[in-house]
Amino acid sequence: EAQVTQNPRYLITVTGKKLTVTCSQNMNHEYMSWYRQDPGLGLRQIYYSMNVEVTDKGDVPEGYKVSRKEKRNFPLILESPSPNQTSLYFCASSLGRKDEQFFGPGTRLTVL
Amino acid sequence: GQQLNQSPQSMFIQEGEDVSMNCTSSSIFNTWLWYKQDPGEGPVLLIALYKAGELTSNGRLTAQFGITRKDSFLNISASIPSDVGIYFCAGLTNAGNMLTFGGGTRLMVKP
Repeated sequence: EAQVTQNPRYLITVTGKKLTVTCSQNMNHEYMSWYRQDPGLGLRQIYYSMNVEVTDKGDVPEGYKVSRKEKRNFPLILESPSPNQTSLYFCASSLGRKDEQFFGPGTRLTVL
Repeated sequence: GQQLNQSPQSMFIQEGEDVSMNCTSSSIFNTWLWYKQDPGEGPVLLIALYKAGELTSNGRLTAQFGITRKDSFLNISASIPSDVGIYFCAGLTNAGNMLTFGGGTRLMVKP
């Protein structure tokens, strides 16, 4: 089944404790991106990747890192999480930047 | 970054009613997309619009790409309980590599 998977789905952590949210797609898509969703603000793009080893900042990249060592994986790294990073995070992938984006199921992160 | 103003923020309607929501921007977009998010899930694409003035239907859903390329609307006819969810508009510029999302419209349908 073609899909985008994220892990974990739920995470509660404390300020400053490094964490990684994984994202994987099995559709051989070149374009992948990370969004955060906050009430009233819609989805805001954190980082995106046009292809392997090519990543770029989105609208709200501060406090996040990403890597794209393989086509299928695009992990989101929070080196030192803070409470304002409490949010619902979505990974998405598409064939190219103009194509339909397929979203993962979301990761709800709470930083205490 | 660019902003999309989506309205209304929420709607509570009776089953069978028609629904209309829209997005406006101060920037020009070359692609408009409408997504629906069910509770606990990621957004799913409903309709994609690629040309100014384009009117596209998907079942009971109809969306239009504004002639100025700065707005779009989505209509849902004869709403049913499973239409409940959050609807997002999103825009993509020709040169851009990022989708810009509206703030969402939360739709609630009373049976």
